[in-house]
Amino acid sequence: QQQVKQSPQSLIVQKGGISIINCAYENTAFDYFPWYQQFPGKGPALLIAIRPDVSEKKEGRFTISFNKSAKQFSLHIMDSQPGDSATYFCAAIAGGGNKLTFGTGTQLKVEL
Amino acid sequence: KAGVTQTPRYLIKTRGQQVTLSCSPISGHRSVSWYQQTPGQGLQFLFEYFSETQRNKGNFPGRFSGRQFSNSRSEMNVSTLELGDSALYLCASSEKNTGELFFGEGSRLTVL
Repeated sequence: QQQVKQSPQSLIVQKGGISIINCAYENTAFDYFPWYQQFPGKGPALLIAIRPDVSEKKEGRFTISFNKSAKQFSLHIMDSQPGDSATYFCAAIAGGGNKLTFGTGTQLKVEL
Repeated sequence: KAGVTQTPRYLIKTRGQQVTLSCSPISGHRSVSWYQQTPGQGLQFLFEYFSETQRNKGNFPGRFSGRQFSNSRSEMNVSTLELGDSALYLCASSEKNTGELFFGEGSRLTVL
């Protein structure tokens, strides 16, 4: 049972454009939503995270938008750069601890 | 601080054998989690250890086991290997119960 659905599976964006990745969840007990970035041959690295008591969080070019009523959240990458080309995973945690439920991943390619 | 270190990075085993993977967390981190990453199933939670106690467990068969030592270093073991166990096994450590995980580069297991 996939508890966090992520789309699209792959995404190609032109340099300077906006990359948008969407996730939806079913478990209302989830209370922490991090995004991880993974480069080939590396482990995932925490990019940005949000709690459901806020609707948006911005860190540099990365923004999370959160819609609690729709049980959806999304990652926006502004001014996308070739160095952003990686696989992005949304995730969710319920009730503290470190048991992450991951989305299926989005492979982003930023072209010149 | 040094990052999360996993050994070995690559290994090849045959069906029926067993394997032990090792993880050294970031200094001061007491939580160690293990994840399996495959192209088909994505990132799946195996288990989490905190202060030498298993705190959470994923939906994997009993062939998958782990432990944590007093210095927070962790090992996971897979017995009676199957072809489907071929995967990247990722270890992550955390200082807090917030889902802010720091991943190692993983141990890539190939089962022939």
